[in-house]
Amino acid sequence: QLQLQESGPALVKPSETLSLTCSVSGGSIFSSPYYWGWIRQPPGKGPEWIGSIYYSGRTYYNPSLKSRLTITVDTSRNQFSLELSSVTAADTAVYYCAKQAGSSPLDSWGQGNLVTVST
Amino acid sequence: EIVMTQSPDTLSVSPGERATLSCRASQSVRSNLAWYQQKPGQAPRLLIYDASTRATGIPGRFSGSGSGTEFTLTISSLQSEDFAVYYCQQYDDWPQPFGQGTIVEI
Repeated sequence: QLQLQESGPALVKPSETLSLTCSVSGGSIFSSPYYWGWIRQPPGKGPEWIGSIYYSGRTYYNPSLKSRLTITVDTSRNQFSLELSSVTAADTAVYYCAKQAGSSPLDSWGQGNLVTVST
Repeated sequence: EIVMTQSPDTLSVSPGERATLSCRASQSVRSNLAWYQQKPGQAPRLLIYDASTRATGIPGRFSGSGSGTEFTLTISSLQSEDFAVYYCQQYDDWPQPFGQGTIVEI
């Protein structure tokens, strides 16, 4: 069974770039036609879909974040990553990675990584 | 861009009672609608997909219905472990937003 684990810094300074990685275990990230996604949840609020990347590399982004967002896949490490530039306090959230198969829901989630944007 | 709206924001019920949660899409998402349950400190957990199919391991007291723009999640007899926040999400088209959530409380 596939498992996902987020990793990255807990604290990022305003105006800098937030970088997170999701490591996939229990299978190859390219062995099945899955979408690999990022979701965030600010404290006390609901989840916000950030974006997804297909195993082929095609990306889908939240329009409200698109200008600051890059999602990539690292084939050699069986990982996919998120970069969000020019962060502000509004980007403070728990960031989750997750998997979905085609027109399907997010059926496997990582445990989440709290990122605080602050000086 | 599709907008998902849930109602009510908070639902106060007693153990053993039925809970009915609603989710509305701003345009048709066919049956490509999921419900998630979230408890404090945990990631959302998939309950229902394709509007009415229970995910693996989900008890039969959870049921989903609807298609197009109107959806319902019903919990037939609330157990203590069901008090949580519930979110709907459409996956018919990109982007794939969530609803704002319904808190089910005692």
